[in-house]
Amino acid sequence: DGGITQSPKYLFRKEGQNVTLSCEQNLNHDAMYWYRQDPGQGLRLIYYSQIVNDFQKGDIAEGYSVSREKKESFPLTVTSAQKNPTAFYLCASRDRGLGNSPLHFGNGTRLTVT
Amino acid sequence: KNQVEQSPQSLIILEGKNCTLQCNYTVSPFSNLRWYKQDTGRGPVSLTIMTFSENTKSNGRYTATLDADTKQSSLHITASQLSDSASYICVVRSLFGNEKLTFGTGTRLTIIP
Repeated sequence: DGGITQSPKYLFRKEGQNVTLSCEQNLNHDAMYWYRQDPGQGLRLIYYSQIVNDFQKGDIAEGYSVSREKKESFPLTVTSAQKNPTAFYLCASRDRGLGNSPLHFGNGTRLTVT
Repeated sequence: KNQVEQSPQSLIILEGKNCTLQCNYTVSPFSNLRWYKQDTGRGPVSLTIMTFSENTKSNGRYTATLDADTKQSSLHITASQLSDSASYICVVRSLFGNEKLTFGTGTRLTIIP
């Protein structure tokens, strides 16, 4: 059963700590994305990767870092430099070989930093 | 600045009734518009895509329309079911760059029995 798995579903951290969110896909998609969802706002792109070992900053990359060492995996690290890290984080992938292909989303990680 | 505005912000209807959600956009040049359904605490799932040449497209009880001249789209839900309770998000892709998506803030739909 193909899909995207995000873990954990809920994550709690103290301010000043870095935290890494996991995202794994078995859809064989080249492109992967990290979005942040806040109440009353549309999804905002943090980072994206179109191929292994390459990634690009999105609209709100400050305070975040990513890696893409394997096609299946695209972990996101929320660093202590991110001023307002509490949010719902969504990972997605897409088949770039298909024109107009949709984003396939995981079920998100809700991060709370206190 | 590219924008996508959705209305209403929230909507409550009785089970079995129909409803229409609206999406207005200023994204240019336009490539396509997609509607996603997002259940609470889950990731969005694509319902349908509208390209420039399409006016109407149905997916079961969901019917999307697109007026590229007025830059408006609608999502009509027929004979609503309790499982339709979700947020519906309109997403517009610019012609320049596959990664240039603009997301609406969504309409929160609640179906009551």
